[in-house]
Amino acid sequence: GAVVSQHPSRVICKSGTSVKIECRSLDFQATTMFWYRQFPKQSLMLMATSNEGSKATYEQGVEKDKFLINHASLTLSTLTVTSAHPEDSSFYICSAAYLRDRGDIQYFGAGTRLSVL
Amino acid sequence: DAKTTQPNSMESNEEEPVHLPCNHSTISGTDYIHWYRQLPSQGPEYVIHGLTSNVNNRMASLAIAEDRKSSTLILHRATLRDAAVYYCILRGEVGTSGSRLTFGEGTQLTVNP
Repeated sequence: GAVVSQHPSRVICKSGTSVKIECRSLDFQATTMFWYRQFPKQSLMLMATSNEGSKATYEQGVEKDKFLINHASLTLSTLTVTSAHPEDSSFYICSAAYLRDRGDIQYFGAGTRLSVL
Repeated sequence: DAKTTQPNSMESNEEEPVHLPCNHSTISGTDYIHWYRQLPSQGPEYVIHGLTSNVNNRMASLAIAEDRKSSTLILHRATLRDAAVYYCILRGEVGTSGSRLTFGEGTQLTVNP
């Protein structure tokens, strides 16, 4: 299957700092990238969908000024958690897909565990 | 989004087959049935998908009911590495909100040695 690289895998930061997470599709061009958040013992929650060259579409309840998404190329999307606070501590996961029809597969990164002190 | 219902947990013994059920009674005629799994502390990985006919790949088989209101993921010989949360998800038309993968609670599969 295709490979999606997510970096960093783990980050610990102080409250008030900003953290950038990168998501790269290594062997295919992704029309669409997705960002999810997962709290312990819970399922994945979709935060936003981004298409290359256009603004991300955020899910209801997700602050777009808090979670900045940039999808500058067909192989790279970044999520920046601005002014992170302890409640932002979570497991962030990206996925990428070349969406043409309903059968297309999403490929996921390994996730980034963010701990805000 | 059309909803799926899965058991919270299932257990299996190593090297035995596992049948993971999924109900999706509100599935539309154009929704694909996707299965993903998530190992501990990792991102999900694709397992299999189908529309109407049963599907086989190197990881698993997918049996889809004739009325498409339910499906079963079959792991032919479970290994300890198959212990994961398995998600059954319906995917709709690309370009619509239904094309997103919306994860439910999934089924936690435990494989006993």
